[in-house]
Amino acid sequence: EPEVTQTPSHQVTQMGQEVILRCVPISNHLYFYWYRQILGQKVEFLVSFYNNEISEKSEIFDDQFSVERPDGSNFTLKIRSTKLEDSAMYFCASDRGLDSPLHFGNGTRLTVT
Amino acid sequence: DAKTTQPPSMDCAEGRAANLPCNHSTISGNEYVYWYRQIHSQGPQYIIHGLKNNETNEMASLIITEDRKSSTLILPHATLRDTAVYYCIVRLRRGNQFYFGTGTSLTVIP
Repeated sequence: EPEVTQTPSHQVTQMGQEVILRCVPISNHLYFYWYRQILGQKVEFLVSFYNNEISEKSEIFDDQFSVERPDGSNFTLKIRSTKLEDSAMYFCASDRGLDSPLHFGNGTRLTVT
Repeated sequence: DAKTTQPPSMDCAEGRAANLPCNHSTISGNEYVYWYRQIHSQGPQYIIHGLKNNETNEMASLIITEDRKSSTLILPHATLRDTAVYYCIVRLRRGNQFYFGTGTSLTVIP
């Protein structure tokens, strides 16, 4: 069964550094998402992406964040200048469109020191 | 943001059916109910979804009340591997995102 893959599984970075989290969504999916989960808290929506542009974003997704689909298969989340509070699990997801289920990757654990 | 209410925790004996309730009293007519689960810190795993009718797949059954204000996820024969946090999610029609609530932490007891 096709799945969403995320790399790396764990990323450690220093505060103020840029980090790029990578995702390969399922190949025939059209909508792409990033979520995050701070340890012990709920899964929070960050952004959705369709047709090469952001379709929705949350308050969390400020100017420090950006997303890109650089080559038709990868979907990336960039955090420009990481803060300690950016430490979390980041989940990528994709789906075929409205009323089809989101499929999630197993996440990247980002640790900012 | 979440439009659903779930009990924070439940226990279930191994081999018995686990019945997880969810209230979604403000659901709109064309909004689907989705169920996901999360084991430890893994990515949320899709279980089942439905609109009006009851649904069944190899993992679970979904019972939606006639007024659509509540639903129940049924795991027919719970195993220890079903211990997880279960999320009931109403998919909002504006935009395409899911909003996760705090879910129900299900513990399957040997």
